Amino acid sequence: DIQMTQSPSSLSASVGDRVTITCRASQSISGFLNWYQQKPGKAPQLLIYGTSTLQSGVPSSFSGSGSGADFTLTISSLQPEDFATYYCLQTYSTPWTFGQGTRVGVK
Amino acid sequence: QVQLWESGPGLVKPSQNLTLTCSLAGGSFGSRRYYWTWIRQHPGKDLEWIGIIYNSGDTYYNPSLRSRVTISVDTTKNEFSLRLRPVTGADTAVYFCARVFIHDVWASIPVVDYWGQGTPVIVSS
Repeated sequence: DIQMTQSPSSLSASVGDRVTITCRASQSISGFLNWYQQKPGKAPQLLIYGTSTLQSGVPSSFSGSGSGADFTLTISSLQPEDFATYYCLQTYSTPWTFGQGTRVGVK
Repeated sequence: QVQLWESGPGLVKPSQNLTLTCSLAGGSFGSRRYYWTWIRQHPGKDLEWIGIIYNSGDTYYNPSLRSRVTISVDTTKNEFSLRLRPVTGADTAVYFCARVFIHDVWASIPVVDYWGQGTPVIVSS
């Protein structure tokens, strides 16, 4: 199985901050990387797919980048509604695997 | 607008069988454009991919669950189902059904886009 390691596991930030979350795969996954946001009691919501394509309706403050085994989710200016947990998911090979999540909390 | 929702028993005893159903509005499980998948979230919040059913009817399961899981589609009822048997305490989780589309760029990238709201399953005697 491909292991997905997210860092940090949690962070504290303020509204307006730039936030960066990384996801490292245990092998190259050729850009087959998707990012999700989850709020308490809700299902994960797709933010970015195929490394860098923004899902319809997602603010442009979110962006994704990376290649090979290293990927990044960036929130350029954190908004109050962005406090949540973020997960990466690789769909390069089965079984698909998730990162362990990054909780973005209020500083 | 696509909507998915799961239904299930909520509480299951160890060694019993679990069946969850996923219903769909705003689409059809018979569509050749999408695949359908189950994912679960353990109490510690880790997400685990369970398996997928392709529009051909073929399935692929996580090897960690393969011996116990079955995913099927009933296009006449517009439902797809997850069966897990027998269950143990380690199967306690919130179970999500979701849709998969293929993002065709330089490769065919599977993307899990729409999710149900999730249904909690507790395995306890």
